[in-house]
Amino acid sequence: GENVEQHPSTLSVQEGDSAVIKCTYSDSASNYFPWYKQELGKRPQLIIDIRSNVGEKKDQRIAVTLNKTAKHFSLHITETQPEDSAVYFCAAGSTGNQFYFGTGTSLTVIP
Amino acid sequence: DSGVTQTPKHLITATGQRVTLRCSPRSGDLSVYWYQQSLDQGLQFLIQYYNGEERAKGNILERFSAQQFPDLHSELNLSSLELGDSALYFCASSLTWGRDYGYTFGSGTRLTVV
Repeated sequence: GENVEQHPSTLSVQEGDSAVIKCTYSDSASNYFPWYKQELGKRPQLIIDIRSNVGEKKDQRIAVTLNKTAKHFSLHITETQPEDSAVYFCAAGSTGNQFYFGTGTSLTVIP
Repeated sequence: DSGVTQTPKHLITATGQRVTLRCSPRSGDLSVYWYQQSLDQGLQFLIQYYNGEERAKGNILERFSAQQFPDLHSELNLSSLELGDSALYFCASSLTWGRDYGYTFGSGTRLTVV
């Protein structure tokens, strides 16, 4: 099955700086890559996703890039704010299969 | 409110007991997924149902079982509970089986086994 690795496990940045979280996947059949944000004690919420026919997608301060050849994808958050502090999960999946999640990155934005 | 309803929100029970967690998917969603999240752990896929049928199974223990009913709500049954079963259990739903867009998660059931 699919194996998703996520790095780093923790990340601290100063407010206004950028944060980058990287994930790799193993199954070349995976064609959909969502990112979720989970605040303490709350449900994971979808923040952005990318499909395998796209190399990059941006939504305001958040962007995701995908390198199918290398089987890795990354989340970029620019101009970080304290409310960006949370645990971020990447996931990989394909039509007909469930999503597999990375182990999460705890992001702390220091005011 | 995500539209995915999980009950109860909290559950405290003793080792050896059996509990049932309930999930009502978002209106119109046919697929339900169950995930387990232990302390400081990621989201471990347990099982998926689509329109009443089991579609995929992950790292679900034999002591655990699930089903999806005709009205599409799902129940996760956990039996012979152990301390290590203490976790946050999430249900998620999506419109169709395996469609390539993200799940919507419920707020979870926090299970504490004492």
